[in-house]
Formats: sequence, structure tokens, C-alpha cells
Amino acid sequence: EAQVTQNPRYLITVTGKKLTVTCSQNMNHEYMSWYRQDPGLGLRQIYYSMNVEVTDKGDVPEGYKVSRKEKRNFPLILESPSPNQTSLYFCASSFVVPNTGELFFGEGSRLTVL
Amino acid sequence: AQSVTQLDSHVSVSEGTPVLLRCNYSSSYSPSLFWYVQHPNKGLQLLLKYTSAATLVKGINGFEAEFKKSETSFHLTKPSAHMSDAAEYFCAVYNFNKFYFGSGTKLNVKP
Repeated sequence: EAQVTQNPRYLITVTGKKLTVTCSQNMNHEYMSWYRQDPGLGLRQIYYSMNVEVTDKGDVPEGYKVSRKEKRNFPLILESPSPNQTSLYFCASSFVVPNTGELFFGEGSRLTVL
Repeated sequence: AQSVTQLDSHVSVSEGTPVLLRCNYSSSYSPSLFWYVQHPNKGLQLLLKYTSAATLVKGINGFEAEFKKSETSFHLTKPSAHMSDAAEYFCAVYNFNKFYFGSGTKLNVKP
């Protein structure tokens, strides 16, 4: 089954404790991206990757890191989480021409930073 | 700069009546436009997309949208709402490798 898998789905952590949210897709997509969803703000893009070893900032990259060492995986790293990073996070993937394709989304990771 | 404005945060309709969800966009270039739907506790799913072909785009579940360049709009419609359409809907613009999403419209369908 074609899917984007995120882990963990739910996480409560404390300020400053490094964490990683994993994202994996099995559709051989070149394009992968991370979003955060906050009430009244919709989805905002954090980082995206056009292919292995190619990443770039979205609209809200501060406080986040990413890496793309393999085509299928695109982890999101919070080196020192803060309460303002409490949010619902989505990973999504697509073929390399996403303007004619569609984004396939994971089911989301709800993060709470105390 | 790109931006997407969804004009209504909440829309409520009765089952069997038409649905109109409004979206305006701002883009320096010819954009690709999308509507996504999000059911509770789920990721987003593509409803339909406009990529510079026909201006009237048909999607899944009876939804359609019309691209109007002069009005910079891409409103989503459905002739007859069903209870299963209750969800949150997001309009999105794609340009230069980035996606920009609107703030969402929650659709409530009354029996």
C-alpha cells in the first residue's frame, strides 16, 4: 500500500530535549516536505527536499533541521524544542514535478513541548 | 510573494444544498492550485488540482472548482452536500518548489 509513515504519532516532551520525528515513504517520490498545522493558520511549510542531499527552507524553518540521506526518509529534527513548537506536524511527498502531481500526506504527529 | 486567503473559516449548509468554499490567491506567476480535504485526525487528501489546462476542474466526490485569473479566485463547489462532506478544506498554491496553504474552512453539514 502506498503510504507516508510518520513516527511518533503523539509525543509529549520538555523544553530543550532533542527529538526526531521520522518520515518514510514507499512511493519512490523525489519531493518530500514538512509542515506544521496550527489553528487559524493552516499549514505552513518548514523544510522541503527535491531529492537526496537537496534540502531547502520553507516559510518557518527556525528551530528545525532536516536531512535527506536516503530517498525514502526525511526526518525532522528539533535540536532544542520550545513550547512554541507545540503543534501538529505533517510530512508529505510527491514526484519531482509536484505542480502537476499531488502531495501525499502522512497522518500527522502531534507534539507537545512543556 | 505567494499567499492564499480562504474567505470563510466556517461554512454551514444543510444536506442536499449546494456548497461554496471561497479561495483567493496571490501569485506573481501562473500558479498551480489545489484543494485538499482533511477529515478529523487524518492527513490531507487531494480533492482536485488546476495546472493551466481547463479552467473548470472536476475532482473527487462531486466537487469542482473554477480558476478565474481575472479575479484571482479558485472557489470550490458541490451541487449537493452530503453528511460525509463535513471536514476541513484547504486551498493551496504551488510555486517555485513551495506549497502555500490557506488557513482552512471547516464545513459543517446539517441533517
